[in-house]
Amino acid sequence: EPEVTQTPSHQVTQMGQEVILRCVPISNHLYFYWYRQILGQKVEFLVSFYNNEISEKSEIFDDQFSVERPDGSNFTLKIRSTKLEDSAMYFCASSGGGGRWETQYFGPGTRLLVL
Amino acid sequence: AQKVTQAQTEISVVEKEDVTLDCVYETRDTTYYLFWYKQPPSGELVFLIRRNSFDEQNEISGRYSWNFQKSTSSFNFTITASQVVDSAVYFCALSETITGNQFYFGTGTSLTVIP
Repeated sequence: EPEVTQTPSHQVTQMGQEVILRCVPISNHLYFYWYRQILGQKVEFLVSFYNNEISEKSEIFDDQFSVERPDGSNFTLKIRSTKLEDSAMYFCASSGGGGRWETQYFGPGTRLLVL
Repeated sequence: AQKVTQAQTEISVVEKEDVTLDCVYETRDTTYYLFWYKQPPSGELVFLIRRNSFDEQNEISGRYSWNFQKSTSSFNFTITASQVVDSAVYFCALSETITGNQFYFGTGTSLTVIP
């Protein structure tokens, strides 16, 4: 069964450093998403991406964040200068061509710890 | 305001008991989707069910059942004859037409099934 994969599973970084989180969405999906979950809290939407551009983003997704689909398979989230409060689990998700009408399938997450 | 409310933060049941997890949503949309996801201790988000706003039929899948009531804006999830493997955090989520592709997650209900 196709699944979303994410690497790395865990990342520890120093405050101010740049991190890139990687995701491989399900191959025939067209919509891609990043969510984050601060420990013990709910899952929060960051950004959605369709047709090689951002389709929506939340208030959390400020100028420190960027997304890219560098090739036909990867979808990345970059945090330019990490802050302590960026420590969270980051989930990538993808869905089919129906966008909001489709189920979003989530990857296993990358746990980011900013020291 | 919360679009999805899961009032039960934590629930503990003894194995083989039935348990119902509540989800109340808020939307002005007439067309929307509701979802349940399971987050086991390993951290990934596992899709359980999607239900559109026009389909109020209850659904049963093995030991899982869902009760969608538009009149009360609720989409409750019942696990029958609970098992230890059901221990997880369960999230209810809403996708609307008017707000695009993002999912709005509730704060989750942590279910512990005691052997």
